[in-house]
Amino acid sequence: EPEVTQTPSHQVTQMGQEVILRCVPISNHLYFYWYRQILGQKVEFLVSFYNNEISEKSEIFDDQFSVERPDGSNFTLKIRSTKLEDSAMYFCASTHRGLYEQYFGPGTRLTVT
Amino acid sequence: KQEVTQIPAALSVPEGENLVLNCSFTDSAIYNLQWFRQDPGKGLTSLLLIQSSQREQTSGRLNASLDKSSGRSTLYIAASQPGDSATYLCAVSHYSGNTPLVFGKGTRLSVIA
Repeated sequence: EPEVTQTPSHQVTQMGQEVILRCVPISNHLYFYWYRQILGQKVEFLVSFYNNEISEKSEIFDDQFSVERPDGSNFTLKIRSTKLEDSAMYFCASTHRGLYEQYFGPGTRLTVT
Repeated sequence: KQEVTQIPAALSVPEGENLVLNCSFTDSAIYNLQWFRQDPGKGLTSLLLIQSSQREQTSGRLNASLDKSSGRSTLYIAASQPGDSATYLCAVSHYSGNTPLVFGKGTRLSVIA
């Protein structure tokens, strides 16, 4: 069964460093999302992406964040200068237009020290 | 702003018991509602999707109902098993099915053998 994959599973970085989180959505899906979950808190929406551009973003998704679909399969989230409060689990999700069920990847645990 | 609440926050039941998890949302103008399962430190597994025009969906021992006008959904788990132990998350989307999900904080379920 097709699934969303994410790499790495765990990333440790120092404050101020840039990180890139990678996702491979399900191949025939057209809409892509990033969410995050700070330990013990709700899953929060960051950004959605369709047709090679951002379709919606939350207040969390400030200038430190960017997304890209560099080729036909990968979808990346970049954090330019990480802060301690960026420590969280980051989930990628995708959905096929017309079906709407969102499928989530296993997540990347980002730890900023 | 949409708010999703899940009650109870935690639930412990003996194996074999039938149980109900509750989800409420403040804005009834939803497009669909999705129930997820999350194991500790893991990703989100989609369990059931209910479109706003539907009243319920069933998958195996799981049955989800939706009362859109009152802003409520329930997830019914029949004949619970220890393997059902996990956190169950409810999430809703607006406008079209491709808008971001708004999540509740979840109900942590423990099924005791």
